[in-house]
Amino acid sequence: QSALTQPRSVSGSPGQSVTISCTGTSSDVGGYNYVSWYQQHPGKAPKLMIYDVSKRPSGVPDRFSGSKSGNTASLTISGLQAEDEADYYCCSYAGSYTSIVVFGGGTKLTVL
Amino acid sequence: EVQLVESGGVVVQPGGSLRLSCAASGFTFDDYAMHWVRQAPGKGLEWVSLISWDGGSTYYADSVKGRFTISRDNSKNSLYLQMNSLRAEDTALYYCAKDSSSWMFDPWGQGTLVTVSS
Repeated sequence: QSALTQPRSVSGSPGQSVTISCTGTSSDVGGYNYVSWYQQHPGKAPKLMIYDVSKRPSGVPDRFSGSKSGNTASLTISGLQAEDEADYYCCSYAGSYTSIVVFGGGTKLTVL
Repeated sequence: EVQLVESGGVVVQPGGSLRLSCAASGFTFDDYAMHWVRQAPGKGLEWVSLISWDGGSTYYADSVKGRFTISRDNSKNSLYLQMNSLRAEDTALYYCAKDSSSWMFDPWGQGTLVTVSS
């Protein structure tokens, strides 16, 4: 069982918006502004999409945005495109010596 | 271009040992902490271990503590993961990743596959 809880799957049609949630605790998501999101296409390495809750690395489209409220972080993808279909993982700093970083279980995004 | 290339993944018997390597290029290696993250077949990502920029601090997930050892050689721009007492549940694609600050992994290598099986 993953430390952070994500929905197993979400879907949307091209042009629509979808939001993926990531629920943790006050010891991880709620306690620090160190939430990041990764996109992983089949057979590929994960790619950083969002860091520090809501910051976008250069090269990531502004269709991707992040936010946080309490112990739940969210990734919103607006103007869905076919190439957005992938697995998405959230990640948070957790501060524990043996669990310094924790991941969510991943969410499969299907573009209908 | 920042690049991370893992190697060393093979098929190994339960109880066996293995050392993974990660060759870094395109950035000042000794400025950054480095991580190992693994992904079992068809499963999600699991953080494994972290080493500070100078190797002075190391951290491990409970699932590997006491069996795995992370190290680095800054003169060779290389990261390592010594894996002992391997179990079937250690079977996974092992990625190295640069900690670009604020506990974010960017970029990741392409991964090296470790299979623990008799």
